[in-house]
Amino acid sequence: AQSVTQLDSHVSVSEGTPVLLRCNYSSSYSPSLFWYVQHPNKGLQLLLKYTSAATLVKGINGFEAEFKKSETSFHLTKPSAHMSDAAEYFCVVSWSGGSNYKLTFGKGTLLTVNP
Amino acid sequence: AAGVIQSPRHLIKEKRETATLKCYPIPRHDTVYWYQQGPGQDPQFLISFYEKMQSDKGSIPDRFSAQQFSDYHSELNMSSLELGDSALYFCASSLELQREGFNEQFFGPGTRLTVL
Repeated sequence: AQSVTQLDSHVSVSEGTPVLLRCNYSSSYSPSLFWYVQHPNKGLQLLLKYTSAATLVKGINGFEAEFKKSETSFHLTKPSAHMSDAAEYFCVVSWSGGSNYKLTFGKGTLLTVNP
Repeated sequence: AAGVIQSPRHLIKEKRETATLKCYPIPRHDTVYWYQQGPGQDPQFLISFYEKMQSDKGSIPDRFSAQQFSDYHSELNMSSLELGDSALYFCASSLELQREGFNEQFFGPGTRLTVL
């Protein structure tokens, strides 16, 4: 089975400082990995995805993530946090357990951005 | 661009009642997924359909059933509702025909179900 572990349930940063949200995955195969963001009372929005192409993936809103197979990690980073980045972030692995693909979510990391 | 549509957005039911949630996928998408997100929890996969046939099943209670219709929209039927069914229910759609070792699932805004 494939799974993801988000190492921090809550991360707090100051506006303008870097963001690091950590994610480790467990997979028997080459995984497809995603980061989704969920703002309060909103749906899930895809930030970026890794699908065995470039290991450094750039997403929307200045976020990026690097796939490191040796460390089984897919950490999400942003150089400078903005107040609007405050949200819940989910690291997600996609795997085929049947005739199509389903997503397994991490437990989420709540990002708080302080003025 | 058209997105996934879910209706209703909010639903309040009493215990033991039934509820029907609807999902309209992005046009030309052939696969629909349902997820349940409890309060403060991560989304959990319930069930999926590909070309109107159930393709996979997750942690869906026997009290729940779902189907995908000829126009590819899907309905999640929930009976004998319990307090613990209160959650945000997401629908996502994808185009499996473009399977390239991954699929990108596009999520709807969710239906918030409250069981009193």
